[in-house]
Amino acid sequence: AQSVTQLGSHVSVSEGALVLLRCNYSSSVPPYLFWYVQYPNQGLQLLLKYTSAATLVKGINGFEAEFKKSETSFHLTKPSAHMSDAAEYFCAVSSRGGGFKTIFGAGTRLFVKA
Amino acid sequence: ETGVTQTPRHLVMGMTNKKSLKCEQHLGHNAMYWYKQSAKKPLELMFVYSLEERVENNSVPSRFSPECPNSSHLFLHLHTLQPEDSALYLCASSQETDGSGTQYFGPGTRLLVL
Repeated sequence: AQSVTQLGSHVSVSEGALVLLRCNYSSSVPPYLFWYVQYPNQGLQLLLKYTSAATLVKGINGFEAEFKKSETSFHLTKPSAHMSDAAEYFCAVSSRGGGFKTIFGAGTRLFVKA
Repeated sequence: ETGVTQTPRHLVMGMTNKKSLKCEQHLGHNAMYWYKQSAKKPLELMFVYSLEERVENNSVPSRFSPECPNSSHLFLHLHTLQPEDSALYLCASSQETDGSGTQYFGPGTRLLVL
């Protein structure tokens, strides 16, 4: 069985500060891991994904995430927050050979203060 | 139009009404999904269609009835809904079928059941 836990339903940072959104997963087989972002009144949009190549994955808008198997983590970071980063972020996991089922975390809402 | 579109964007219905949600993808993808997004809960996968065949049905009540007439269109027929069915209903599509695929989401239909 798979599961995803996002630590912190709300995170607040100042503009220009480091963004760190935490995600831990559970999977009995090597996982595929995703981060999606949702802006108000929109659907989800892919930020980045890990599918077994490099463990450090770079995404859009300056975000990156590192797959750490020993810690079962896939935390999302950005060195310098921008006001436009304010949104809800979802971590998700699917399994190799698991077909279409993707499990999403509950989401972390990021607030950026001027 | 590009990407994934959903109509209507907002819907208010009584518990005895029948209505349908429509999703259309312009990406040439083979798989389409319905998700339910409720406040403070993770995304819930409802149905998945691959090449117009239903491959996933996540114990969804029979008052929700999906239809996939072709690979570009997906409907969700609603009847005798309950107030707890009020939520954002998201449609998504993907090309890959091995779990590695990026899902492309529409903007959603905000449903309110009175």
